Amino acid sequence: GDSVTQTEGQVTVSESKSLIINCTYSTTSIAYPNLFWYVRYPGEGLQLLLKVITAGQKGSSRGFEATYNKETTSFHLQKASVQESDSAVYYCALGYTNTGKLTFGDGTVLTVKP
Amino acid sequence: EAGVTQSPRYAVLQEGQAVSFWCDPISGHDTLYWYQQPRDQGPQLLVYFRDEAVIDNSQLPSDRFSAVRPKGTNSTLKIQSAKQGDTATYLCASSSGTGYGQLYFGEGSKLTVL
Repeated sequence: GDSVTQTEGQVTVSESKSLIINCTYSTTSIAYPNLFWYVRYPGEGLQLLLKVITAGQKGSSRGFEATYNKETTSFHLQKASVQESDSAVYYCALGYTNTGKLTFGDGTVLTVKP
Repeated sequence: EAGVTQSPRYAVLQEGQAVSFWCDPISGHDTLYWYQQPRDQGPQLLVYFRDEAVIDNSQLPSDRFSAVRPKGTNSTLKIQSAKQGDTATYLCASSSGTGYGQLYFGEGSKLTVL
């Protein structure tokens, strides 16, 4: 089956500092999965932040970026300079083109201190 | 454009009671998903539909959980004889086709079973 691992349950970063949230995945499928980062801001529903469907490619949105690394089976989320408004819960997920269902990690709570 | 709407937002039950959750997807979205999200975990797929047909319900505890989407639009998830282990947030999401993994989520229905 598929699984997604986020090693940090909580991350606290000072405003304007850099951020990395780790994500690794495992799959028994012969097909390469599509990879996603979803985010839930306080008081809002879960929403797509960025996606990459081709191994080796990088996705970016709102200053965040993530590179699909099939050798290390990783999809770490990075941002060079975080803002207080980035405080949210971030979920890494994988899926396949022929089905919309997703497998999620357990999420990382990001707190940005002013 | 209206987003995914879920109701009720909160439910508190005693063990053994029943509850139904309702979801109205984004207009025109043919695929609808129900996810269960226990506290401090990622969303886990329970069932998904394309139009009125169930595509995958392999993770739905069939003895107490049921889900329908009779006209291919709104959907209801019902839990009969709830258990404390059912305490979780129930998320509904929709997409157009597979959406390549871009799902649109509602805010969720938070269930507490005492």
